[in-house]
Amino acid sequence: EAQVTQNPRYLITVTGKKLTVTCSQNMNHEYMSWYRQDPGLGLRQIYYSMNVEVTDKGDVPEGYKVSRKEKRNFPLILESPSPNQTSLYFCASSLRGTGEGNEQFFGPGTRLTVL
Amino acid sequence: AQSVTQLGSHVSVSEGALVLLRCNYSSSVPPYLFWYVQYPNQGLQLLLKYTSAATLVKGINGFEAEFKKSETSFHLTKPSAHMSDAAEYFCAVSDGTSYGKLTFGQGTILTVHP
Repeated sequence: EAQVTQNPRYLITVTGKKLTVTCSQNMNHEYMSWYRQDPGLGLRQIYYSMNVEVTDKGDVPEGYKVSRKEKRNFPLILESPSPNQTSLYFCASSLRGTGEGNEQFFGPGTRLTVL
Repeated sequence: AQSVTQLGSHVSVSEGALVLLRCNYSSSVPPYLFWYVQYPNQGLQLLLKYTSAATLVKGINGFEAEFKKSETSFHLTKPSAHMSDAAEYFCAVSDGTSYGKLTFGQGTILTVHP
């Protein structure tokens, strides 16, 4: 089954404790992206990757890191989480970018709480 | 830079009534426009997309949307609401580049009453 998977689905942590949220897709997509969803703000892009070893900042990159060492994986790293990073996070992938009208496929989401 | 405005953060309809969710966009290039639906505790799922092939776009679950360039709108409609349509709906616009990103509206929560 074609899908985007994220782990963990739920995470409660404390301020300053490094964490990684994994994202994997099995559709051989070039483009992957991370979003955060906050009430009343919709989804905002954190980082995106156009292919292996090619990443760039989205609209809200502060406090986050990413890497793309393999085509299928795109982990999101919070090196020193803070309470304002409490949010619902989505990973997404598409064949290429949405500028060609490509559909983005979304993972199920990771709900992160930083105390 | 592109932007999306969804009018109404909450819309409530009766089962069987018309559903109308409003979306206006701004874009400096011909846009690609998308509607996504998010059911409770799930990720986003594509409902339909506009890619300039036709101004009236039909999607899944009986939804459709009409692209109106003069009004910079892409409103989502469904003639008869069903209880299973209750969800949050997001309109999004692409920046049109080959590796473009999506800019989302703030979302509209649809409630369907029996």
